[in-house]
Amino acid sequence: QKEVEQNSGPLSVPEGAIASLNCTYSDRGSQSFFWYRQYSGKSPELIMSIYSNGDKEDGRFTAQLNKASQYVSLLIRDSQPSDSATYLCAVNTYSGGGADGLTFGKGTHLIIQP
Amino acid sequence: GAGVSQSPSNKVTEKGKDVELRCDPISGHTALYWYRQSLGQGLEFLIYFQGNSAPDKSGLPSDRFSAERTGGSVSTLTIQRTQQEDSAVYLCASSTGDSSYEQYFGPGTRLTVT
Repeated sequence: QKEVEQNSGPLSVPEGAIASLNCTYSDRGSQSFFWYRQYSGKSPELIMSIYSNGDKEDGRFTAQLNKASQYVSLLIRDSQPSDSATYLCAVNTYSGGGADGLTFGKGTHLIIQP
Repeated sequence: GAGVSQSPSNKVTEKGKDVELRCDPISGHTALYWYRQSLGQGLEFLIYFQGNSAPDKSGLPSDRFSAERTGGSVSTLTIQRTQQEDSAVYLCASSTGDSSYEQYFGPGTRLTVT
């Protein structure tokens, strides 16, 4: 059974600070890792993907992957009130038959305090 | 370009009725996925299509659920004899089908079974 674990929060961060979101996964065969942002009442929006160990930066977002520790994180620099949302970690394991569905964590609710 | 579209956006139905949900993926995307998100629950993967083929239907919650995709484009998810526990937001996502596995979600269909 593939599992993805996230702290549900809420995680409260002052505006302008760095928000750090963490995720662990159970399946060592997992190969693709994603962070989605979901505003209340809206559908998930892809913000980062990462496939190899290390850091990947895109604007104010940095995704970090450590496959040995089965750990993925997302850093948001210079946090803005508009970053307040639920952040979903998702993991994909390619089965050889094609692109499987993603396994999602339950999300971390992030609140940026003005 | 146009994103994933889903219809209807909201559906209220009586217990025991059949419902059909529609998804139109991003143009050119060969892979299509169905998920559902229940209140307070995480995203649950249901089924995916590569082209018109669904290699694995084991994620469908029961035999009341079925899905099809024709012409490599539009997909329909059908729920027969709806039950109250089927109430959820049904989300469709599509991807290019390449090795990035990045999935882009539509706005969802909110299904309420009374």
